[in-house]
Amino acid sequence: QKEVEQNSGPLSVPEGAIASLNCTYSDRGSQSFFWYRQYSGKSPELIMFIYSNGDKEDGRFTAQLNKASQYVSLLIRDSQPSDSATYLCAVGFQGGSEKLVFGKGTKLTVNP
Amino acid sequence: GAVVSQHPSWVICKSGTSVKIECRSLDFQATTMFWYRQFPKQSLMLMATSNEGSKATYEQGVEKDKFLINHASLTLSTLTVTSAHPEDSSFYICSASTGGPPTGKLFFGSGTQLSVL
Repeated sequence: QKEVEQNSGPLSVPEGAIASLNCTYSDRGSQSFFWYRQYSGKSPELIMFIYSNGDKEDGRFTAQLNKASQYVSLLIRDSQPSDSATYLCAVGFQGGSEKLVFGKGTKLTVNP
Repeated sequence: GAVVSQHPSWVICKSGTSVKIECRSLDFQATTMFWYRQFPKQSLMLMATSNEGSKATYEQGVEKDKFLINHASLTLSTLTVTSAHPEDSSFYICSASTGGPPTGKLFFGSGTQLSVL
C-alpha cells in the first residue's frame, strides 16, 4: 500500500515568516513529487514539482527532496495571507505512471 | 499552465437519479484523464483512470457500474454517477496530464460538488 503522510496542521505562521511543510512517502521507488495548493471548496493547483534530490526554487517557493529519507518538503518564504490554504503533497509511482497518491494535506494559515 | 474545464460546478439531485459530470481539456489533447473524489477534510482519492477510446481502469473498491466513465475524444471525459445516493455526496474532480516530463504533472478541473438529497 503506497502511502503519503503529511501533518494535517493547522500550521500558523505570521506574515513575512517562512512556512515549512513536510511530507514522507512509503514507496522507495517513487520518482516524481508534487506540491499542490488547494483553497477551500476549490480544486488543487500545481505549485511545484521535483524529481531529483536536492532543492528546487521557484520564486518564494522551494521544494526539497531527499530520496534516501523518503522525505519531501515545501518552504514558502515571505509568507502572505493569500498563501493560506491546504497544501497537498503528491507522489508518482515507480515506472512513470501518471497516477498520483496524495497526502491528506496540511492546512496553512498566514496571520497578518 | 494547461486548462481543464469541468462542469457543472455543483449539482443537487434527488436520491436515485443519475448525474453526469463533464471534463474537457481546452488547450491540449489528453489521452488520459483521472477522476478523483474528495470528502471533507480528506485527501483526493483516485477513482478511475479514463483512457481515450478504451475502457476506464477503476481503483479497488470503486463500482464501475455505478460510476460510468466515457472518454470519447482526446478532449472530453465524462463521469456519470448512476442511481445516486446520499453517501455519494462528495467533491468530484477530474484531472489531465499534458504528458511528461515529469510524468504525473496534472492539471485539475474546477471540481463538482455533488449533493444527493
